[in-house]
Amino acid sequence: KAGVTQTPRYLIKTRGQQVTLSCSPISGHRSVSWYQQTPGQGLQFLFEYFSETQRNKGNFPGRFSGRQFSNSRSEMNVSTLELGDSALYLCASTPGGTDTQYFGPGTRLTVL
Amino acid sequence: KNQVEQSPQSLIILEGKNCTLQCNYTVSPFSNLRWYKQDTGRGPVSLTIMTFSENTKSNGRYTATLDADTKQSSLHITASQLSDSASYICVVSDAGNNRKLIWGLGTSLAVNP
Repeated sequence: KAGVTQTPRYLIKTRGQQVTLSCSPISGHRSVSWYQQTPGQGLQFLFEYFSETQRNKGNFPGRFSGRQFSNSRSEMNVSTLELGDSALYLCASTPGGTDTQYFGPGTRLTVL
Repeated sequence: KNQVEQSPQSLIILEGKNCTLQCNYTVSPFSNLRWYKQDTGRGPVSLTIMTFSENTKSNGRYTATLDADTKQSSLHITASQLSDSASYICVVSDAGNNRKLIWGLGTSLAVNP
């Protein structure tokens, strides 16, 4: 089975712009979670989607949003980018009946 | 506040040596505790998972222990290899909060030849 894929792998944006990141989960996995990882903060939970519905949400401002499609693929969007949004954004998918997460390689976002 | 604290923050060892990483948590009750390995530029990969009733779990040269009474876990790496150089992250699932995952900041391990 193919693993979790994320696109793009690297992205450079400027302040004020918006960005959309994509995640394709492992086939058959219906839950997708997003995390922001920075050196000082570790992994910070953004949100989780299951069957196209947001099931859990972390403590991030409304500039961060996401959605899930019927094929379980997910996107997250960050609007009005700030310098502090520079981070590695990780997507993880989870099979039913377990909460073990399988992570993708991440998207490295740099905001200039 | 539920927390997961890891020590040391970073560690350098020579190839072939053993090492032990520590994880202290305040999450209670908890569903399970996991150790993840994260290589530079990659996503985390699960190494072990332990429930409340388990004391030890092995995965090759990785052995995790859990003391639920003292709320401590350790990850022991035996006969380290250069490929063990990575960040090791402890994660506790909060049973009282919809199994929310509480992530530690990780220990950065460098194995030198």
